Amino acid sequence: GAGVSQSPSNKVTEKGKDVELRCDPISGHTALYWYRQSLGQGLEFLIYFQGNSAPDKSGLPSDRFSAERTGGSVSTLTIQRTQQEDSAVYLCASSPADRVGGYTFGSGTRLTVV
Amino acid sequence: GESVGLHLPTLSVQEGDNSIINCAYSNSASDYFIWYKQESGKGPQFIIDIRSNMDKRQGQRVTVLLNKTVKHLSLQIAATQPGDSAVYFCAVRGMDTGRRALTFGSGTRLQVQP
Repeated sequence: GAGVSQSPSNKVTEKGKDVELRCDPISGHTALYWYRQSLGQGLEFLIYFQGNSAPDKSGLPSDRFSAERTGGSVSTLTIQRTQQEDSAVYLCASSPADRVGGYTFGSGTRLTVV
Repeated sequence: GESVGLHLPTLSVQEGDNSIINCAYSNSASDYFIWYKQESGKGPQFIIDIRSNMDKRQGQRVTVLLNKTVKHLSLQIAATQPGDSAVYFCAVRGMDTGRRALTFGSGTRLQVQP
């Protein structure tokens, strides 16, 4: 597609359940980023993938969070044993190589943990 | 680490007036700065960027000013229009961290009054 696609757009889950969030980057974009945006806040970096290099996981808030990127394209962010503080909008962005200004964001997945 | 702050959480302007949104950053090694616009329910959209070897850059109706001495960044929007109403984020990259990801401020909500 023409843009970054994220699914689902909304997810409501019960506390303690696992969730998977999906990101389909723009075709050919080798860099992929996950950010988290809590209500009324800025964007918090979670994880960064660049080509076949080891991902930068330095932003993941706990070991309940993990992400993978298969075949250098689609990425999945997994949150295990969700907590209420995990409620936020999870945004994915992609860019050509390492061109930071070329970030294109998806519309995000709004996660609500009840 | 890097921290990015904004001077005002909300800015209200009259249609046709010029808007100025400010941002302060903490890391003097930051080398790349971006402004994003986020409309309700959407991901952030790139507006304009500037590198640390410049102090001013102009786009269509927007100007970014960088003052490295006081670590301050501003976005000026000329002849503000109702369609400019959104949350504006500054984002900063610090080369000394080795991290490619951006650090975002908490955002300023721009409200354009007709």
